Parts: sequence; structure tokens; C-alpha cells
Amino acid sequence: DAKTTQPPSMDCAEGRAANLPCNHSTISGNEYVYWYRQIHSQGPQYIIHGLKNNETNEMASLIITEDRKSSTLILPHATLRDTAVYYCIVYRANAGGTSYGKLTFGQGTILTVHP
Amino acid sequence: EAGVAQSPRYKIIEKRQSVAFWCNPISGHATLYWYQQILGQGPKLLIQFQNNGVVDDSQLPKDRFSAERLKGVDSTLKIQPAKLEDSAVYLCASRPASGRASNTGELFFGEGSRLTVL
Repeated sequence: DAKTTQPPSMDCAEGRAANLPCNHSTISGNEYVYWYRQIHSQGPQYIIHGLKNNETNEMASLIITEDRKSSTLILPHATLRDTAVYYCIVYRANAGGTSYGKLTFGQGTILTVHP
Repeated sequence: EAGVAQSPRYKIIEKRQSVAFWCNPISGHATLYWYQQILGQGPKLLIQFQNNGVVDDSQLPKDRFSAERLKGVDSTLKIQPAKLEDSAVYLCASRPASGRASNTGELFFGEGSRLTVL
């Protein structure tokens, strides 16, 4: 699986947008970009994923560059509860449609949202 | 829908003792994972089950760690004997066998079991 590079930490003011970058320059054409977050003392939580197009859901937006070598997770209006470690993961589903794919986590970005 | 259940939440043992962690995945989820998360690091996959069969246990230290999922539902992870470096949070995750999330990277994690080895 392709490796990812994320800044170790970022700060954001409450109510402002949090933009978390991720580099994945060796990503292959059939690999997806996934984002998870982990709030203190909890298990990781899925946020969003994408292949080529930008994606949006109730939690966040995901912007993937045209060459797919980097992406940005956007939390449009950060709250104190968004303080967490955010993981960017490149994922390849198992060929043939079976559910054998696995996630490989890196160090992630510690996002701290300030009042 | 009930989430992934894990127990115990916390466990303190001395080195060379044994410990077991239990996981009950979301109902109907065929794929089950055990991850180890050492403080300050991201989770590391230990073992992956598909129903009651092992798909990947390449990162499992088999001299001391064992895991089973006998009936393809709940699972147990055992460490015997424990070492100081086994101090970590042990996370269980699951994924459905069919539907939108069956071949995606969308896993559902439990809250984890925190192990301290003294």
C-alpha cells in the first residue's frame, strides 16, 4: 500500500475551517484515500473516502488533487469536539470483490481546536 | 445498531502473566480485525479474520500472541506470557460481508482494551 505523509500537528480556532493535508505521491490508480479520526480514549472513526472526485458528507469534505498525489480533509466549522488525531490512509480493496482489504495507519495529525 | 463490544476496558498485569481480550463485532459482520496501538503511534494490524478463518496474521507475534474466532462471531485475543512492550491498547474492528461497506476500508472500531504490563 502507498505510504502517506501528514504534518504531526495542527491548530484551528473554533468555528473556522480546519484543512488537514496529506501527501500520497506513490498512490496507484486503484487505491482509495480514506480518512479516519481518533478522539482520545476511543477507537478510530471513519470520516470519508474518495478515489478521484471530491467528496462531501455530513462530517467533512475531501479534496483530491487531479494527479491524486495529495488530498485535503476539510472540517468546515471546527468545534472543540473535533480535537482528535486524524489519519490519512491509502487503501486498496482486494481484487475480485472479496472483503479482504486491510487498513495501514500512520502517525496521523493531531488537530487541536481552540476556543 | 449496537457497536463493536470489547472487554475488559482496562487490564493491569505483571510481566510473564497471561491476559485475554474479548471482542463481539457488529451483528452480521464477517470480517474481524485485531489492532495493537502503542502510545503515540497509529494502530497496527495484528490479525484479520474472515468468518472463522484467518486471512492475515503476518504481524502477530505467534510465540506469545494467539487469537481465535471459533464460531465466526466473537473473538478472543490472548497474550502469554506478557512482556513490558505489550503495553498498548488492543482495538477490535469489524466490517460487513455484503452491502456498500463490504469491500471498502470503512471499518467499525470498538473502544479498545488498554493493557498495562508492569
